[in-house]
Amino acid sequence: AQSVTQPDIHITVSEGASLELRCNYSYGATPYLFWYVQSPGQGLQLLLKYFSGDTLVQGIKGFEAEFKRSQSSFNLRKPSVHWSDAAEYFCAVGPSGTYKYIFGTGTRLKVLA
Amino acid sequence: EAGVAQSPRYKIIEKRQSVAFWCNPISGHATLYWYQQILGQGPKLLIQFQNNGVVDDSQLPKDRFSAERLKGVDSTLKIQPAKLEDSAVYLCASSSPFVEDEQFFGPGTRLTVL
Repeated sequence: AQSVTQPDIHITVSEGASLELRCNYSYGATPYLFWYVQSPGQGLQLLLKYFSGDTLVQGIKGFEAEFKRSQSSFNLRKPSVHWSDAAEYFCAVGPSGTYKYIFGTGTRLKVLA
Repeated sequence: EAGVAQSPRYKIIEKRQSVAFWCNPISGHATLYWYQQILGQGPKLLIQFQNNGVVDDSQLPKDRFSAERLKGVDSTLKIQPAKLEDSAVYLCASSSPFVEDEQFFGPGTRLTVL
């Protein structure tokens, strides 16, 4: 069965520090992979997506993610976190063209000044 | 470009009452989705429309939930009667056929059932 696991419910980092949010998936074929961010009171915003090709994907707001097939992972990274990055981050996986994506349970990021 | 609009933003009702949520997608977006996001969980797709037709409603609890998109533009999601476990944020999203696999989300409606 398809599933997405985000092992970290909460992460706290200092402003300026690097960030890595983990995402592991279970899927029968090569999936489409996404990272979304949700700020308080806001809808989800797409940060980046992976369909095929280069396994290192660049997104908006300075985020990047790396697809590692052997580890079934799609971790999100940012070299230097800003206070405005405090939000909840969701990883999602699904087949192309159907929009039946499965979302992880999310990781809430707190940024210390 | 205006984003996805939803109303109301917050709603508190008693169990067994009915409630309706409204969504206006981005202009020109043919596909519209309703998601349920329970606290501590990721969004779960309830129903997907393509224009005014239902593409997928396999996870919609049809005994109490209904949704329509009569003119292929805005949409209404209704719950009747509501249960305590329906407390959640209901998110609407839309997508364009010209931007592959990207959904644009509205701010959501937070429903509390007492």
